[in-house]
Amino acid sequence: GAVVSQHPSRVICKSGTSVKIECRSLDFQATTMFWYRQFPKQSLMLMATSNEGSKATYEQGVEKDKFLINHASLTLSTLTVTSAHPEDSSFYICSARGEGMEDNSPLHFGNGTRLTVT
Amino acid sequence: GQNIDQPTEMTATEGAIVQINCTYQTSGFNGLFWYQQHAGEAPTFLSYNVLDGLEEKGRFSSFLSRSKGYSYLLLKELQMKDSASYLCAVRGGGSYIPTFGRGTSLIVHP
Repeated sequence: GAVVSQHPSRVICKSGTSVKIECRSLDFQATTMFWYRQFPKQSLMLMATSNEGSKATYEQGVEKDKFLINHASLTLSTLTVTSAHPEDSSFYICSARGEGMEDNSPLHFGNGTRLTVT
Repeated sequence: GQNIDQPTEMTATEGAIVQINCTYQTSGFNGLFWYQQHAGEAPTFLSYNVLDGLEEKGRFSSFLSRSKGYSYLLLKELQMKDSASYLCAVRGGGSYIPTFGRGTSLIVHP
């Protein structure tokens, strides 16, 4: 159980365009979803936390107008990278947490999206 | 926030045992996770420790000492497929969201 699906797995876009990444919980209701970014050989850095039906909470230093997060339902959250630049090229990973999950429950991650901005 | 330190890279031989250390500093410690991450893939959960002591799960074991701010992941009977990055993640500071360390890249050679 607790499967998280992320799409697309890879995307290449031109500088200045926008890219949308989807994160779905397949077999549970995700009350909270998390978006991480990971640069090569670096740690997972939390970008934002979103709760279903409310605005996302962004970590310090993350531009909320650039990284638009929507968590419109209990099974879907989207991250849109707007006006992408080459420095936005990274590995983006979502994870989800369901209601009632115990404290020792690990985060359930999607398979990640490799974004390359040319 | 949390300060998490783990070695950048380790190498080991197939069939051997390797110990990956993680030290951390945090207020209000509330759990430590170990994840395995293969290149280009998402992390997969390995273990969780919140009390002192050793948790064993097959070939993998994880140890925690809260007073020392220290944990290790022990991998036995290493296999080539164990070559991956191992991430230590600590929860504390009143948040249920763990903070990840940089990860230790483990290379297993024949």
